[in-house]
Amino acid sequence: DVVMTQSPLSLPVTLGQPASISCRSSQSLVFSDGDTYLNWFHQRPGQSPRRLIYKVSNRDSGVPDRFSGSGSGTDFTLKISRVEAEDVGIYYCMHSIQWPWTFGQGTKVEIK
Amino acid sequence: EVQLLESGGGLVQPGGSLRLSCVASAFIETFSSYGMSWVRQAPGKGLEWVSLFHDDNAIYYADSVKGRFAISRDNSKNTLFLQMNSLRVDDTAVYYCTRGRGDHWGQGILVTVSS
Repeated sequence: DVVMTQSPLSLPVTLGQPASISCRSSQSLVFSDGDTYLNWFHQRPGQSPRRLIYKVSNRDSGVPDRFSGSGSGTDFTLKISRVEAEDVGIYYCMHSIQWPWTFGQGTKVEIK
Repeated sequence: EVQLLESGGGLVQPGGSLRLSCVASAFIETFSSYGMSWVRQAPGKGLEWVSLFHDDNAIYYADSVKGRFAISRDNSKNTLFLQMNSLRVDDTAVYYCTRGRGDHWGQGILVTVSS
């Protein structure tokens, strides 16, 4: 199984400041079709997860442009350019290159 | 707007069974062309992809549920199912229905396995 490892697991942030979350996979997430199947999700307390980013760097519809994804191979990053209050919650990276699809442990973002 | 509505959860004793349903709306005409999945989240824990009904009709299960759970779908009713048998205490979780690689999620349904 592909193991997804996130860091940090806890991230206190200041409103208006940038934030960054790292995700590493135990093997390359480049599929035979040439695409890299790495997604990012955000889950607010008491809510369902919401996908923010698919295939490393593509924002889903309605996702603010302060969110950006980057990386390649086994190393990926989610960046928030200026944190807003609604960004609190847990962020998960997830791969879908082969079964089982797996998530990282989650990174809890909270306001300082 | 795409909506996924789960039902069928509740309290069950260890060894019991439950059948979850997920009805999709707003992509009715293309429902059959999408892979659909069940993802669960135990209380206070992270996310686990439980089962996938791929768009090529291949079916996959997490090792933790293989042999006990069965995923199925009725495309004529835009509905995804999860038959859960031999339930264990550690199956207690909120179960989410998701489309494709997670672009849309239901609100989740709680399954509690306890004596």
